Amino acid sequence: KAGVTQTPRYLIKTRGQQVTLSCSPISGHRSVSWYQQTPGQGLQFLFEYFSETQRNKGNFPGRFSGRQFSNSRSEMNVSTLELGDSALYLCASSLDLWAGEAFFGQGTRLTVV
Amino acid sequence: AQKVTQAQTEISVVEKEDVTLDCVYETRDTTYYLFWYKQPPSGELVFLIRRNSFDEQNEISGRYSWNFQKSTSSFNFTITASQVVDSAVYFCALSEAGGGADGLTFGKGTHLIIQP
Repeated sequence: KAGVTQTPRYLIKTRGQQVTLSCSPISGHRSVSWYQQTPGQGLQFLFEYFSETQRNKGNFPGRFSGRQFSNSRSEMNVSTLELGDSALYLCASSLDLWAGEAFFGQGTRLTVV
Repeated sequence: AQKVTQAQTEISVVEKEDVTLDCVYETRDTTYYLFWYKQPPSGELVFLIRRNSFDEQNEISGRYSWNFQKSTSSFNFTITASQVVDSAVYFCALSEAGGGADGLTFGKGTHLIIQP
């Protein structure tokens, strides 16, 4: 059974640019959540999607957005990148809306220069 | 608001020693879930255990065991006879029943170093 796949694994962008990250959940899983991990703030919840609808959103500015497609694949977008957006972005896949355990991908390491 | 505290930033032990990772949580909800995740150098978070607030029974899985005590709001994790492969960052996490607006709330993590 394939795990959670995140692409790309590594990304370098310039301040002011925008970026799109992709997450393919485990087959059959309908919930996808996104987290930002930085050395200073640790792991922080960005948002959760279920059945193509954003169900929950963390405390991040509107520059961070996402969507989920009918096949449960999800993308997150960050516009007008800032240096502080440099982080590891992790995607988590769950069978149902927080039914319990979540399976994480290896993340996308975003560096903003 | 929910909060998870992992006071131990880094722990270093010699292989075969037992080690306990502490986790203290805060929540106003009566129904919630507690989790432990392991993050190896490769980056992905590996699920270890989920415990709901109504189940205070301790759990043992091989060399791993978890002690959940609602009276002290703690959910501690013990590795018995540690091995080098146990070296990783371990995160304790909390979620409200059904998810809620905060998703998973993570502690800052404990970096566990097992020396050969």
